[in-house]
Amino acid sequence: AQKITQTQPGMFVQEKEAVTLDCTYDTSDPSYGLFWYKQPSSGEMIFLIYQGSYDQQNATEGRYSLNFQKARKSANLVISASQLGDSAMYFCAMREDQNNAGNMLTFGGGTRLMVKP
Amino acid sequence: DSGVTQTPKHLITATGQRVTLRCSPRSGDLSVYWYQQSLDQGLQFLIQYYNGEERAKGNILERFSAQQFPDLHSELNLSSLELGDSALYFCASSVAGVSAYNEQFFGPGTRLTVL
Repeated sequence: AQKITQTQPGMFVQEKEAVTLDCTYDTSDPSYGLFWYKQPSSGEMIFLIYQGSYDQQNATEGRYSLNFQKARKSANLVISASQLGDSAMYFCAMREDQNNAGNMLTFGGGTRLMVKP
Repeated sequence: DSGVTQTPKHLITATGQRVTLRCSPRSGDLSVYWYQQSLDQGLQFLIQYYNGEERAKGNILERFSAQQFPDLHSELNLSSLELGDSALYFCASSVAGVSAYNEQFFGPGTRLTVL
């Protein structure tokens, strides 16, 4: 079974509008972390936001917020006021803490976001 | 700039050859992770080193090996290369190596093309 599922292979959003990128995860580990990374066409992976499984509040970082619904096992990324520079691939990733000797991340397949002017 | 450096940026080689990818973590980071990003497999964890010792292993082929040196830089060795090894290879680093929130900082990647 997929541990991280991103069901939207590609999305368009109008500049200045908000957009939600979906991510669902599967784990039986009570302690885990969820990450979102951005990969522009240049290829680098840029960390955007983190949510811990025990965090009571949804994480926010500037224009990025994470809509964490633990019971539904979803961790959707919300980008407010989209900018042309937000056009990129977005990856959701999970770190499981109990059966994870290191801190390896498991990634979803990604969503390609395209911002229209 | 994440502070993680990887060399070379691009590598083109032939099947059957051996290559070495190099990674220098951010100053102070003890953990180094290697990931492979390919079109068919997506982003996959290969291996992690913490302070010179192997900490975790993922979907790493036997033809691949890695090590972390006393100065904490790491090398990923790929041998008997096949066409399917063509991918973007990322190195990432983080401060700790055990369960804790610590963001992994990714390097720019090495794009390997096997012809």
